[in-house]
Amino acid sequence: DTEVTQTPKHLVMGMTNKKSLKCEQHMGHRAMYWYKQKAKKPPELMFVYSYEKLSINESVPSRFSPECPNSSLLNLHLHALQPEDSALYLCASSQDPDNIGNTIYFGEGSWLTVV
Amino acid sequence: DAKTTQPPSMDCAEGRAANLPCNHSTISGNEYVYWYRQIHSQGPQYIIHGLKNNETNEMASLIITEDRKSSTLILPHATLRDTAVYYCIVRVPNYGGSQGNLIFGKGTKLSVKP
Repeated sequence: DTEVTQTPKHLVMGMTNKKSLKCEQHMGHRAMYWYKQKAKKPPELMFVYSYEKLSINESVPSRFSPECPNSSLLNLHLHALQPEDSALYLCASSQDPDNIGNTIYFGEGSWLTVV
Repeated sequence: DAKTTQPPSMDCAEGRAANLPCNHSTISGNEYVYWYRQIHSQGPQYIIHGLKNNETNEMASLIITEDRKSSTLILPHATLRDTAVYYCIVRVPNYGGSQGNLIFGKGTKLSVKP
């Protein structure tokens, strides 16, 4: 089983709303990732959690707030977003944060539209 | 920045082998070559990865040149469902307590035609 589950699949939110994207994996993976993908562009790394601690923040604006409540869950809290933040948000996970020979598995993504 | 160069697009006839090239001339000895694909509107799908030796699994084969400066992903019998963007990624170890990450380049748009 290599499943990473993301909810919701689609989200429409206003610029003043607060919403969250959720990601779950039950593979015992200790590294979890958020990527952002704009239309016709490759995915871009946003955040990396290693053993439930934030290890990488790729200079992401503070209106995006990640959270890792436990080793199976990863959230991305959204607040005061702009229309240009509309994108596909991808969650991923891998078993050992320190072993680059471990495969990173992706979820199907959450499509976010900011109106 | 991505450390790989791929052709922007390729065509392949259905049932034939698809050979997707990737140049990674600056690769170091401890860096892995990963291949993912992304079918429209879906998350990236892992295909295969390797360090030095050629690799094969149920989806594809990965051929890495002896000097490791380039590789080829081979889909032995392409089908219409293999139409996707294929990403070749060199995964770099991050020292200082952080793990290596996947940094995506632009990839190759493979179109499999009947």
